[in-house]
Amino acid sequence: AQSVTQLDSQVPVFEEAPVELRCNYSSSVSVYLFWYVQYPNQGLQLLLKYLSGSTLVESINGFEAEFNKSQTSFHLRKPSVHISDTAEYFCAVTQPMNYGGSQGNLIFGKGTKLSVKP
Amino acid sequence: NAGVTQTPKFQVLKTGQSMTLQCAQDMNHEYMSWYRQDPGMGLRLIHYSVGAGITDQGEVPNGYNVSRSTTEDFPLRLLSAAPSQTSVYFCASRRIGGANVLTFGAGSRLTVL
Repeated sequence: AQSVTQLDSQVPVFEEAPVELRCNYSSSVSVYLFWYVQYPNQGLQLLLKYLSGSTLVESINGFEAEFNKSQTSFHLRKPSVHISDTAEYFCAVTQPMNYGGSQGNLIFGKGTKLSVKP
Repeated sequence: NAGVTQTPKFQVLKTGQSMTLQCAQDMNHEYMSWYRQDPGMGLRLIHYSVGAGITDQGEVPNGYNVSRSTTEDFPLRLLSAAPSQTSVYFCASRRIGGANVLTFGAGSRLTVL
């Protein structure tokens, strides 16, 4: 069974500092990887996704994540964070639909709360 | 375009009461699912459906029932609420095929006393 491990439950950083949120997954087969963001009292929004091709994927608000197959990791990075990036971030993994009997269900990590301080 | 709509947003129940959380989507998505979110636990899949008339269990299905009579609607029923079901519930949907990108509703916060 697939699983996702987010290594840090909370990450406090100062504004304009760089940040890395770590994510490891357990699967040796073809996977799709996602980062979702949840702002306070809201639902989840897709931040970025890796499906295939370039291992570095970017979001419109400056986040990027790199798919590393050998280390089974998909860490999220931003070179300079803003107060508005304060949120909870979820890493998720799935297999392509019908791959090995998969229904394409998304498996989530336990989340990392990013707190950006002035 | 409303996306995924969940009702109610908040609900307080007593132990043993029953209720239904409603979920509707207007994107003609074949796949719909229910997750629960608990502090420190992330999101866990309760039930999902790949089309009208087809449902299946996820990771934590006990105490919940679902049905899918139409493409648009996917209600989640609690037959006899327990305090352990106090949680925030999210409905999500997507097209089948392609990138498996889920669209989430705003959530329903349930408290069972």
